[in-house]
Amino acid sequence: QQQVKQSPQSLIVQKGGISIINCAYENTAFDYFPWYQQFPGKGPALLIAIRPDVSEKKEGRFTISFNKSAKQFSLHIMDSQPGDSATYFCAAKRSGGSNYKLTFGKGTLLTVNP
Amino acid sequence: DAGVTQSPTHLIKTRGQQVTLRCSPKSGHDTVSWYQQALGQGPQFIFQYYEEEERQRGNFPDRFSGHQFPNYSSELNVNALLLGDSALYLCASSFDGLAKNIQYFGAGTRLSVL
Repeated sequence: QQQVKQSPQSLIVQKGGISIINCAYENTAFDYFPWYQQFPGKGPALLIAIRPDVSEKKEGRFTISFNKSAKQFSLHIMDSQPGDSATYFCAAKRSGGSNYKLTFGKGTLLTVNP
Repeated sequence: DAGVTQSPTHLIKTRGQQVTLRCSPKSGHDTVSWYQQALGQGPQFIFQYYEEEERQRGNFPDRFSGHQFPNYSSELNVNALLLGDSALYLCASSFDGLAKNIQYFGAGTRLSVL
């Protein structure tokens, strides 16, 4: 049972374009949704995160859009740069009780061509 | 400020052997989580340690065990290695206080089982 579904599996964007990665979740108890960026040979690094009480969060060129009713959230990378080429993971977490784990999507390999 | 450090970087073992992986959390962090990342997949939660106790466990067999030391560092032990245990093992640390959701990952240990 895959609780967080991520698409697309891979994405190719031209420099300066907009990269969009989508995630859908099943567990309505999730209340924390981070995005991680992973470069080859490195561990995942937290990029940006959102809680369901807001519909959008922006940090620089990165924006999370959140649709609670559809149980979907997405990452938008504006003005994509070759240095953004990496694998991106969405994740979800449920707060409270004995819930400490992050549940990850399968990842999206982003390639930004110069 | 050192981030999360893991050792060794790479490891090659044979089926049936046992392995120990090590993790030092980011300064100021008191909680350590372990994840398994198979090739082309998102990280899967193994377990989390806090106050030297395992407080949540994912869907992994008892062959996977861990330990947390008084200085908050942690070990992951895997017994009776299987070919399917080949993966990148990630350690993540966090602070069990404000912003406890934020987990910082190390670069991982690449385990190959032959």
